[in-house]
Parts: sequence; C-alpha cells; structure tokens
Amino acid sequence: DTAVSQTPKYLVTQMENDKSIKCEQNLGHDTMYWYKQDSKKFLKIMFSYNNKELIINETVPNRFSPKSPDKAHLNLHINSLELGDSAVYFCASSQASVLGNEQFFGPGTRLTVL
Amino acid sequence: GESVGLHLPTLSVQEGDNSIINCAYSNSASDYFIWYKQESGKGPQFIIDIRSNMDKRQGQRVTVLLNKTVKHLSLQIAATQPGDSAVYFCAEIMGGGADGLTFGKGTHLIIQP
Repeated sequence: DTAVSQTPKYLVTQMENDKSIKCEQNLGHDTMYWYKQDSKKFLKIMFSYNNKELIINETVPNRFSPKSPDKAHLNLHINSLELGDSAVYFCASSQASVLGNEQFFGPGTRLTVL
Repeated sequence: GESVGLHLPTLSVQEGDNSIINCAYSNSASDYFIWYKQESGKGPQFIIDIRSNMDKRQGQRVTVLLNKTVKHLSLQIAATQPGDSAVYFCAEIMGGGADGLTFGKGTHLIIQP
C-alpha cells in the first residue's frame, strides 16, 4: 500500500488557470506538509498543517492555499497560475514522537505552466 | 566537482568504494537531522536520522556524523552499489517539526561501475 499518494503525477496547464493537487496519507499521521522542488532540485517547505495549526512559509504567495477535508488529506489549491509556479510539488506527512520526526514523502506532482 | 546541468555538487565514486557526503546546516537551534535520498522521478526517501545530543549514528552501510560546533553533517556510505546513485539531501528540524524540514542544497552521487 502506498503510504503517501498524490494525484495527478503530471499537470500541464495554461497561465492564469486554477488547479488543485491532491494528497492522501494512510499512515495515521497528525501532520502533513507541502514542499516545492525547483529546477535546481532545491526543496523548500510551503506549508505544514495538523488539526490544530496551519503554518505558512511567508515566502509562499497567497495564490497557494492548502485545504484539509480530514486528517488524512491535504490538498493544494493554486489560483491564477504563473510560469514561475512550474516545479515538482511534494506532499509529506509525519508523526512526531520521542523517537524522531521522520517525514514520509509522496511521489511528487510535476506542474508545468505554459 | 560541479554538475553544470543540475547545478548540484557531484560526487563520483567507484562501485565498492566508500563515499562521504557533506552538509552544512544553518540553524544552531535545530535538534534533529535527517538524510534523504532522492532517485530520479521519485520523492525523497528517509535514510538515517540523528538527534542533536548524539554525534554519530550507524545504520546498514550508512553512518551519519554530526559536528554541532561547526554545524556540519556528513553521510558515509560504505561499499557503494549502483543503486546508491541518487541525489542526497540533509535536512534539519527544530522542536516538534511544525515548521517543516529545512533542506540543504543536495549532492548528486554517481556510482561508477
């Protein structure tokens, strides 16, 4: 069974469109995240979310918004897409404990904005 | 050396040799560190972690060393195999992890046959 899954795997769209990427985890984790990986492979946190708190990286444009219908899902909605939004987006989840805080990553969604 | 195409540091080693990948982290308050491996077209995969109260931790064929004085992490991979070819990232986290991981730049490890 896939621990963290994302759909779609590839997303090609025109500028100014609105799109969503879905993420689901079946690990029972409390916290989920979205990361962006640019063309230079640099990974950067965008959001972290649990049932109590949403933490937003201040550099993320407000066109990006996470939506969590329940604990196992954290979807990423993007309004008015721009060329610079082209990247690979990774969802992750974790369950912090005294043993550690390993984050499990999904396979990624490659977004291409034309 | 530097891989112009990927703009990532590249380390090339012969199959069977040991490799050491280095990472400088940024936040002296970070208390938990993780090494991730990312193969082409896949998400990052956990390799090994270490807490700030330790300076060394060993796994299967991998060892992580932590030097808090100079804010430096290293990942040693013993007896490298073709499947070790990937991009390796160090990541740091502070407290309960609510702020997410802060990733290092990444190193592209190439295993030569």
